[in-house]
Amino acid sequence: DAGVIQSPRHEVTEMGQEVTLRCKPISGHDYLFWYRQTMMRGLELLIYFNNNVPIDDSGMPEDRFSAKMPNASFSTLKIQPSEPRDSAVYFCASSPGLAAFFGQGTRLTVV
Amino acid sequence: GQQLNQSPQSMFIQEGEDVSMNCTSSSIFNTWLWYKQEPGEGPVLLIALYKAGELTSNGRLTAQFGITRKDSFLNISASIPSDVGIYFCAGHLGNKLVFGAGTILRVKS
Repeated sequence: DAGVIQSPRHEVTEMGQEVTLRCKPISGHDYLFWYRQTMMRGLELLIYFNNNVPIDDSGMPEDRFSAKMPNASFSTLKIQPSEPRDSAVYFCASSPGLAAFFGQGTRLTVV
Repeated sequence: GQQLNQSPQSMFIQEGEDVSMNCTSSSIFNTWLWYKQEPGEGPVLLIALYKAGELTSNGRLTAQFGITRKDSFLNISASIPSDVGIYFCAGHLGNKLVFGAGTILRVKS
């Protein structure tokens, strides 16, 4: 397996634009997590899914953020409209139920 | 806020020295995981601990799951330059995987 695959690796966008981050989890993993990493706040859990169903989205900062998992092999995290304070590295991770395995992340810069 | 307290925040050590870092929490965790992150990459799993009192080794790394289930430590023996990075502890609260703030390790050769 190629591991967790995220795209794009880097994204630079203007404030107010919509941004969509994508994730392909490891096949067979039932859990998918979205994290945001910043110097100030470290690794924050935004939302996680179990069997494609969102279980806990209490970490999603505000209504501008939304996440979907239409099937077991794909998830998106969308920010609309984006703001400069959303600049961070966003990680997707998948898990069979215990240890989680991370993608390489998407570095988002909102200017 | 942070549910896992990780210390120290950073370490700058001489190559060959042993390293010790730990995580504590006021909550009981079902698992403890240790990850390493290098620049531009995602965290990579080093060691997973699933039972209170468990002591597990992976090469020069040793980690233990505290008996109270509220703490864990990671030791690295005989550090080498490629050990540099950020080390994170993580634990499950139910199915929610939360992370400590990380320990930045720098090794002087």
